[in-house]
This record gives sequence, structure tokens and C-alpha cells, in this order.
Amino acid sequence: NAGVTQTPKFQVLKTGQSMTLQCAQDMNHNSMYWYRQDPGMGLRLIYYSASEGTTDKGEVPNGYNVSRLNKREFSLRLESAAPSQTSVYFCASSENNPGELFFGEGSRLTVL
Amino acid sequence: AQSVTQPDIHITVSEGASLELRCNYSYGATPYLFWYVQSPGQGLQLLLKYFSGDTLVQGIKGFEAEFKRSQSSFNLRKPSVHWSDAAEYFCAVGAKYSSASKIIFGSGTRLSIRP
Repeated sequence: NAGVTQTPKFQVLKTGQSMTLQCAQDMNHNSMYWYRQDPGMGLRLIYYSASEGTTDKGEVPNGYNVSRLNKREFSLRLESAAPSQTSVYFCASSENNPGELFFGEGSRLTVL
Repeated sequence: AQSVTQPDIHITVSEGASLELRCNYSYGATPYLFWYVQSPGQGLQLLLKYFSGDTLVQGIKGFEAEFKRSQSSFNLRKPSVHWSDAAEYFCAVGAKYSSASKIIFGSGTRLSIRP
């Protein structure tokens, strides 16, 4: 019963470094999402994907890139991390369009 | 583009008292509406959703919400809160496009329970 799995759970980066957050779901869902959560701002949508090979921008896409490698995996890349990207990142998936979001446990990223 | 407003940042209610959390949305067509709860250490969980039909929807843990199109609102209610309801609550609105749904969340309302 893995559901949505995110790695890593914690990461500390220096300004300018790059990294990729990995997300995989085993529920055969079509849609996948990346959100960031900051205090007082709720969850803000970064990118989402309806299917393999398709991605769409959300509310706050600047500074991020995504890849929908296959139906299971949806990765989020920070090419040159900035302190403003310090946040908790959540990946989610959904079977229906629209439908209930199933979330991963989150990845806490700190950029120094 | 859709948007969601949760006007109350933090609410404190006494255990056993009733609760209403406000949510207002902006979207030109019929919205898909959700309430999620985030408890410490338990991640995000769906409480209830509205897609169509009866405007009063029932969810888990004794919660309900009412869709009012004229007021662009989807307020969450519970008749009697329990200490375990202390958490952060998020309203969300989904807009269905051709191949995917863009789901936007409000900024959340933190609920504290007074013993």
C-alpha cells in the first residue's frame, strides 16, 4: 500500500545548486501534481500532468521544471535553487479528472 | 482562472461547540469543490467533495459542506467539534480542462480546540 512516494524527504541545498525531487505512484492514476506549501499561503500548484509526456504550468512554475517520465513517475527539478524555494513540496495523484488527490508525505527543502 | 479565499486564518472553538469554516471561490463555470484536512503527522486527507447534484454534501468525521452558487461559497460545518479536529483545513476548487484538472487551494484555516 505505498500510494504516492516522494524522495528525498529532507534536503538542504546551497544557493545555485540543482536537485530533483522524485515522485512515484502505484495506483495507476493518470493525473499527477506538484505543490509547494509555505506558512500562511496554503498549497500552491507548481505543475501538473494529465498523462505521460504532457505537463501544464500551475500558479508558481518559475524556477522549476518537471518531467512526466511515464504513468507512474513525475519529477520536479530545481536547476538553480534560491532561498525563496525553501518550502515543503507535495506530490499528488488523481484517478479522475477531476477527482480526489492522493498526497505523498512531503519533501522538506531548505535552500541556504 | 479559478481562485479560492479562506478569510479566517485561525479559529478557536470550544470542544462540543459547532463549527463553520468559510470558503469563497471564483470560477466562471460549475466548480469542482473540495475540503481537505491536514493534521500533524498525518498528511492531507479528503473530507468531502462537491461535483454536482445535492448542494449539501456529507463527508467523513461528521463534516458537511453546502454549495451556494449565488454566494460563490462552500462552507464547511460540523455540529460538535472534538479535540481531535484540531488541524489545518483547506478548501480547493478544480477546473476541468480538456485533459487535466487544475486544482487550486486556499491559504487554509487553522482550527484550535479549547478544552
